[in-house]
Amino acid sequence: DAGVIQSPRHEVTEMGQEVTLRCKPISGHNSLFWYRQTMMRGLELLIYFNNNVPIDDSGMPEDRFSAKMPNASFSTLKIQPSEPRDSAVYFCASSFYKRQPQHFGDGTRLSIL
Amino acid sequence: EDQVTQSPEALRLQEGESSSLNCSYTVSGLRGLFWYRQDPGKGPEFLFTLYSAGEEKEKERLKATLTKKESFLHITAPKPEDSATYLCAVQARVEETSGSRLTFGEGTQLTVNP
Repeated sequence: DAGVIQSPRHEVTEMGQEVTLRCKPISGHNSLFWYRQTMMRGLELLIYFNNNVPIDDSGMPEDRFSAKMPNASFSTLKIQPSEPRDSAVYFCASSFYKRQPQHFGDGTRLSIL
Repeated sequence: EDQVTQSPEALRLQEGESSSLNCSYTVSGLRGLFWYRQDPGKGPEFLFTLYSAGEEKEKERLKATLTKKESFLHITAPKPEDSATYLCAVQARVEETSGSRLTFGEGTQLTVNP
């Protein structure tokens, strides 16, 4: 079975540019999560969706960050404008609603120069 | 606020040398405690879910246990391929509409030398 698929795997861009990260959850899962991982702060939840509806975006650091889930098989995390402190690995995870565990993709390593 | 603290931060073992990793947690009613393994350049890989104090789960050389305040991941006779970062996470018993948030610890980086 295909796992959670994220793209791109690596992204290097200059400060001020728009960055879009993409995620395809496991088929049939109805909860989707976006995390950010850094050495300083570990794995942090940014936002999550149940049945394509955003439930909790309290972890989104600033208004520069936005996430959408237009359908059950696709989600995006957008940063506009990007800043060097946004450099991190961004993970997407999915699960059955309230029935853990969450299954993670292999992440997007983002570097903002 | 839910909190998870893992110790030690790093652990270096010789092949065959058994040990334990600790995960202490504070949560407003535990719904589940989860252990994940993360290899460099990869996403966390699910290992175990524990739901109530006294519960134990095993998988190959790993055994996870749970008390009301902490969880242990016991590694018996580890091999070099067990080298990874092990993450612990908790999910609180929340209202129906609040979903399935996990709070992760910082992880323990395990190195097993041949």
